[in-house]
Amino acid sequence: NAGVTQTPKFQVLKTGQSMTLQCAQDMNHEYMSWYRQDPGMGLRLIHYSVGAGITDQGEVPNGYNVSRSTTEDFPLRLLSAAPSQTSVYFCASSYGQVNTEAFFGQGTRLTVV
Amino acid sequence: AQSVTQLGSHVSVSEGALVLLRCNYSSSVPPYLFWYVQYPNQGLQLLLKYTSAATLVKGINGFEAEFKKSETSFHLTKPSAHMSDAAEYFCAVSDSSASKIIFGSGTRLSIRP
Repeated sequence: NAGVTQTPKFQVLKTGQSMTLQCAQDMNHEYMSWYRQDPGMGLRLIHYSVGAGITDQGEVPNGYNVSRSTTEDFPLRLLSAAPSQTSVYFCASSYGQVNTEAFFGQGTRLTVV
Repeated sequence: AQSVTQLGSHVSVSEGALVLLRCNYSSSVPPYLFWYVQYPNQGLQLLLKYTSAATLVKGINGFEAEFKKSETSFHLTKPSAHMSDAAEYFCAVSDSSASKIIFGSGTRLSIRP
């Protein structure tokens, strides 16, 4: 069982570069989300999706784009990387929206220099 | 708006001692409450959840939490700490009117031999 798979695990970007963090799940979950984790700040929601073709903003969406063309995939795009986006990024999926277990990927550690 | 506060960013206990990690929430409607655990360099995994059934919730690895509406609390306890419990623990809140789960800032649990 693969669960939630994130790629890459590590990435170093230069300021101004763009990139896409990949997230795929094989559990047929409708709800997917992206969080960033920073020391002392817990997990903050960037964007989420309640199903294919539907996305919405979370707490800290600026500088990030998402799309959900299939149930399985939910990529996160950094349009023009900034040092403030240095963080660990987690993708999560769940069967329901707010009252069911969320399954997390292993995370992507991103450094922007 | 929902919010969750975890008291104490770092808790240290001796092996065999009681573990108590504190979480207080704010929600205008009956909440759903969760505790997640994160081991080093891994994603989060669910320990337990409260979704308006029994107020005392038992989770994995001997952990349990009690929902106290009058105190707006959902503290996590374990009677006897084990070295393998060393990790970061996150409390999270949601409710039926929301479309997202809000995480606390986390509490790092250390176990002294």
